[in-house]
This record gives sequence, C-alpha cells and structure tokens, in this order.
Amino acid sequence: KQEVTQIPAALSVPEGENLVLNCSFTDSAIYNLQWFRQDPGKGLTSLLLIQSSQREQTSGRLNASLDKSSGRSTLYIAASQPGDSATYLCAVRGDTSGSRLTFGEGTQLTVNP
Amino acid sequence: GAGVSQSPSNKVTEKGKDVELRCDPISGHTALYWYRQSLGQGLEFLIYFQGNSAPDKSGLPSDRFSAERTGGSVSTLTIQRTQQEDSAVYLCASSRKGQGGSPLHFGNGTRLTVT
Repeated sequence: KQEVTQIPAALSVPEGENLVLNCSFTDSAIYNLQWFRQDPGKGLTSLLLIQSSQREQTSGRLNASLDKSSGRSTLYIAASQPGDSATYLCAVRGDTSGSRLTFGEGTQLTVNP
Repeated sequence: GAGVSQSPSNKVTEKGKDVELRCDPISGHTALYWYRQSLGQGLEFLIYFQGNSAPDKSGLPSDRFSAERTGGSVSTLTIQRTQQEDSAVYLCASSRKGQGGSPLHFGNGTRLTVT
C-alpha cells in the first residue's frame, strides 16, 4: 500500500526566504507525482505535475524535483511571498494512468510580511 | 464550465437522512474522482470513474455510500442514513485520460455536516 509523507507538517518563514518542502513515498512504481496548494475553505489547485520519467518541473518561482528510485520529491519556492501562505499537498499516482492519487497530509506554510 | 463545479457548497443534515452530492467535471474530462477530507486529516480516496464505469470503488467506506456517473459527465455521490462520522468535505476531481497522466483538477468541495 502506497504511503506518502510530507515534512515538515508546518513551516513559518519571513517574506523573501527561499524554502523547500519535502515529500516521500514508499512505493516507487508511480506514474506521476503532483503538487497542489489548498487555501482555507477551498479545493485544491494544481501547481506542478512530474511524470515518472522526468526529474523536475518549473513554473515561475516554483520548482519540483522527483527522485523516483529513492521515493522522494521536493518543492522549492523561491523568494516567498505572503500570498504563498497555504497548505501544500503532494500526491502520487499509481502505475497506470487511471489509478488513484495517494496524498500526503500536507505542509502548512505561513509566509510572514 | 471552466472548472470542476460541485453542489451544494455546504450541506447540513440530520443523522439518518440521505444526501446527494453533485459534481460537474470539466468538459471533455473522462476521468472523475471523489475524495473525502476530514478535519485535520489527509485526502481519502473514495471512487474513480472512467466514463460511466467505476473501475475502482475500493475507497467507499461502507455500503451506505454509492456513486454514479451518467453520460460520461455529471456524477452524484449518495450517502444513505448519514452518520456523524460522515461529516467532512467531499471533493471531486476530473482529468483527461490517455494523455500522459494529465493533472487532476479539483472542485471547491461540498462541506457536509451531520448533526
């Protein structure tokens, strides 16, 4: 059974700092990995999707890496802003494209002005 | 529509009543997922549809839960004889299938409170 762990559970940083969120998963037979953000009372917003054959994806100030063999992914946020405050969730999809996503419990990020 | 739409956004019901939650996926998305998010917990998979069929419904917690999808579009999640432990946010997501594992797009969820 796939298990996804995110560390840290919560993080508070001053504005402008670069930061890294960590995600690990127990079964390396994944199809892809997706990072989401969730604002309070809202659904999930997709940030980045990394296919199993890829090593990283970038979008603006966000960079996500994937090391499938070791079961790890990181989300790097450059020059953090108060608007980045949210819960960040990592999810892995099983080894077929229709399989469920298994989610971590998230990292709650607060960026202080 | 532009995104995944869920209704109602909030639902308060008495214990023992039945409820129906609706999901309108993004047009053209053949895959549809239901998840549940309880307070302070992660997202729990419930069921996956590909078209109108459900190849994976292993996450439904009991036989009080059922879901259907018609016309390859709208899906309804039904909870019969609701219990207080059913209180949670129910999230629906959709994606294209067969395009390299395209990203899931989520709706804003239905917050269900069972009193």
